[in-house]
Amino acid sequence: EAGVVQSPRYKIIEKKQPVAFWCNPISGHNTLYWYRQNLGQGPELLIRYENEEAVDDSQLPKDRFSAERLKGVDSTLKIQPAELGDSAVYLCASSYRDRVVFSKHNEQFFGPGTRLTVL
Amino acid sequence: GQQLNQSPQSMFIQEGEDVSMNCTSSSIFNTWLWYKQDPGEGPVLLIALYKAGELTSNGRLTAQFGITRKDSFLNISASIPSDVGIYFCAGQLGSEKLVFGKGTKLTVNP
Repeated sequence: EAGVVQSPRYKIIEKKQPVAFWCNPISGHNTLYWYRQNLGQGPELLIRYENEEAVDDSQLPKDRFSAERLKGVDSTLKIQPAELGDSAVYLCASSYRDRVVFSKHNEQFFGPGTRLTVL
Repeated sequence: GQQLNQSPQSMFIQEGEDVSMNCTSSSIFNTWLWYKQDPGEGPVLLIALYKAGELTSNGRLTAQFGITRKDSFLNISASIPSDVGIYFCAGQLGSEKLVFGKGTKLTVNP
């Protein structure tokens, strides 16, 4: 079974340029997450989707970041314009949440991430 | 953003030694998770804990959910070279987002 797919794996851009990341979750997973991981830190949630609805975007810097998950499958995260401080690894994760049957924990499966360097 | 206090920040050990790392928080969680991240990869779940006081094992790994619900530890017994990586704890309250620690970088010398 294929895992979470992300592209590109690496991206180097100059500040003020736009950049986009793409994520394809595990087939059948209805919940998708975008995280940012700064060097030497743990991942921090940017946005969570349940199907095509963004249910938690409180940590997404909305002045320059945007995300979409059309049709509730794959997703894109965009930064426009990028700043030096945006250099980080952007991780996508997915999980399956059953709205009918309670589950103690819905394991999140992470992709390999996109390493962004802003010069 | 909010993060957990994870220690130690890094460890250098000899193959065969046991390892212990822990995580503390100022707020309670009802789920504690331990992940391992290899270079260039995303975190992979090792152990999940759901109940205060719970002790769970996964092979050579053992983790415990603190009674106060504000801490957790992870032990690795008889370390091997492939244990090298960064270990993260994460806490969750209900269906709220995961809050990650800063990680413990483990180096195992053969």
